[in-house]
Parts: sequence; structure tokens; C-alpha cells
Amino acid sequence: AQSVTQLDSHVSVSEGTPVLLRCNYSSSYSPSLFWYVQHPNKGLQLLLKYTSAATLVKGINGFEAEFKKSETSFHLTKPSAHMSDAAEYFCVVSPSKAAGNKLTFGGGTRVLVKP
Amino acid sequence: GAVVSQHPSRVICKSGTSVKIECRSLDFQATTMFWYRQFPKQSLMLMATSNEGSKATYEQGVEKDKFLINHASLTLSTLTVTSAHPEDSSFYICSASPPPSYEQYFGPGTRLTVT
Repeated sequence: AQSVTQLDSHVSVSEGTPVLLRCNYSSSYSPSLFWYVQHPNKGLQLLLKYTSAATLVKGINGFEAEFKKSETSFHLTKPSAHMSDAAEYFCVVSPSKAAGNKLTFGGGTRVLVKP
Repeated sequence: GAVVSQHPSRVICKSGTSVKIECRSLDFQATTMFWYRQFPKQSLMLMATSNEGSKATYEQGVEKDKFLINHASLTLSTLTVTSAHPEDSSFYICSASPPPSYEQYFGPGTRLTVT
């Protein structure tokens, strides 16, 4: 069984300041982990993925995430928030690196960026 | 590459009618596609796994006779909401994985409103 907990349902930051979105997971396997972003009334876009090659993963738009097995965490960060980063972010776990696996979604974190 | 489209993007239908939503993988073949439902300000809920050439696998609590899924080709899966009711109003999103990748790419979603 697997589960994902996003520790903050809402995060508010000022433009130009760092963003931290927290995610903890549990999995019976060596999981693959993803962060997706969803803008209003849009589908999901993949920001980055962890596949066990490197614990620090760099994604698109300046985002990165660090996999910490000892803490079962996969927090997402960005050093400087931009207005366009305002969106919903989902931390997602897959049980393995196989096509056709079901994804388990966290509850989502809504990011508000203040000018 | 790895583009998933959905049609229509928005649909309004009357209670008691049926509506079909299409999910297409535009530049790859997908033996498996997934259908999700998303209520406002909530995370995605997996409804079913669509398998090309065979019956879909539904998640617990999802009525297979109400949400008909057909995956007749390697690039097209359809979700038909039969005898729609206002409580079926939601945002429906599909996803697929381009082989040999295991990461899922999401369609832009379909907003269904039942009046």
C-alpha cells in the first residue's frame, strides 16, 4: 500500500521569495515520486520526477525536490517565486517504474503568490 | 512529444442524457489509459484503468454501468457518462504513459456540467 501526505493545503509567498511545498509518503516498494502542477481548469503538468538515480532532482521552471528516504519526504522548492507559479501542486507516488501503475495523489497544495 | 488531448473541453448536458468524453494520445500508442475525476478544490480520484482491447478496471465505488469506458484503439479511450445527474458534474481528466516511460501525461481535462 502507498499513501501521500502534503502537509500544507495552502501556501502563500511573496514574489521573489523562496517556496517550500512539503510532501511525505509511505510505500511498500521503492517508489517513484513525482510533482505535478495544475493551473486553474487545466490538466496536470509534470514538474519533476524521482527515479532513484539522484536524490536531488531538478525540474522545469526552476523547481527542484530532494528525496530523503530516512524521512520519507520529497519536498519541492524554488528559490524565487514568480507570479506564474500560482497554481495547485500535487505530490504523487507510483509503486515502481512500470507503465500502467496506478498513481496515488496527495491532497494538493494551493500556492498563492503575492506581488 | 507525449501529448494527450481530450474532447470536449467543456460540455453542458441535461439531466438524464449521456455524454461521451474522448481521450487521445497524439504522438504515442498507449495500451493503458487512466480516467480521473476531480471535484472543486480537491485532488484527483482515480475512477478506472482503461486497457486497450479488454474491459476496464474500475476502482471501488465507481459504477461501471454509469461510467462506460471503451479503449478500442491504442490512441483512443472514451468515457461515457450515462443518464447523467447534477452530482456527476465534475472535472474529468485522463492520462497515459508513452512506452517505455512509466510517467503519466495528463490531458487538459473536461468540465462536465449537468443541469
